[in-house]
Amino acid sequence: EVQLLESGGGLVQPGGSLRLSCAASGFTFGSYAMSWVRQGPGKGLEWVSVIIGSGGTTNYADSVKGRFTISRDNSKTTVYLQMNSLRAEDTALYYCAKGDGSHSLLFDYWGQGTLVTVSS
Amino acid sequence: DIQMTQSPSSLSASVGDRITMTCQATQDISTYLNWYQQKPGKAPKVLIYDASNLATGVPSRFSGSGSGTDFTFTISSLQPEDIATYFCQHYDNLLVTFGPGTKVDVK
Repeated sequence: EVQLLESGGGLVQPGGSLRLSCAASGFTFGSYAMSWVRQGPGKGLEWVSVIIGSGGTTNYADSVKGRFTISRDNSKTTVYLQMNSLRAEDTALYYCAKGDGSHSLLFDYWGQGTLVTVSS
Repeated sequence: DIQMTQSPSSLSASVGDRITMTCQATQDISTYLNWYQQKPGKAPKVLIYDASNLATGVPSRFSGSGSGTDFTFTISSLQPEDIATYFCQHYDNLLVTFGPGTKVDVK
């Protein structure tokens, strides 16, 4: 059974940093792209970042480029999102999502999300 | 950048009704278009991939069509458990854009 378990969310002041983690199980982790998708309170879905299965290629939404860094440790079957220079508009529930292939952006499994609140 | 729009933003229908919603892209996206269902308090779930393919385990009352810039998502017979928000998603070249969603409730 595929499971994705996010952690690391919390309350942080504007300008601060957080690192989110997503621990995966139930599939051959290194063979699949992983993404982060966020959802602000009462808002729609916003894709944040993707890292392909090998970890060699990443991409980011313009809204987080230069502030957020995605990475993965295939030996620990975990994907990370390092978030720096946080802003109030980064407040959201952050989901980890699995692609259905090594470069896929079709999200076939999602975690339950971890809440990030940026406020003073 | 490609933008996605969805209409209507919300709709209310009766159990058993056929409902249709649309998703439009600002440029030709071929069939790089997926549909997700998000129930309140839950993570999204993929229903349709590549515009018209039913994801595994998804009931056949859900369907999708379209290509290029105009796409349609249909529920042939609305059920109470279909209360949710439906999002379209364009993907290409390691970039993703979601539409703003259509919220469906039952009269």
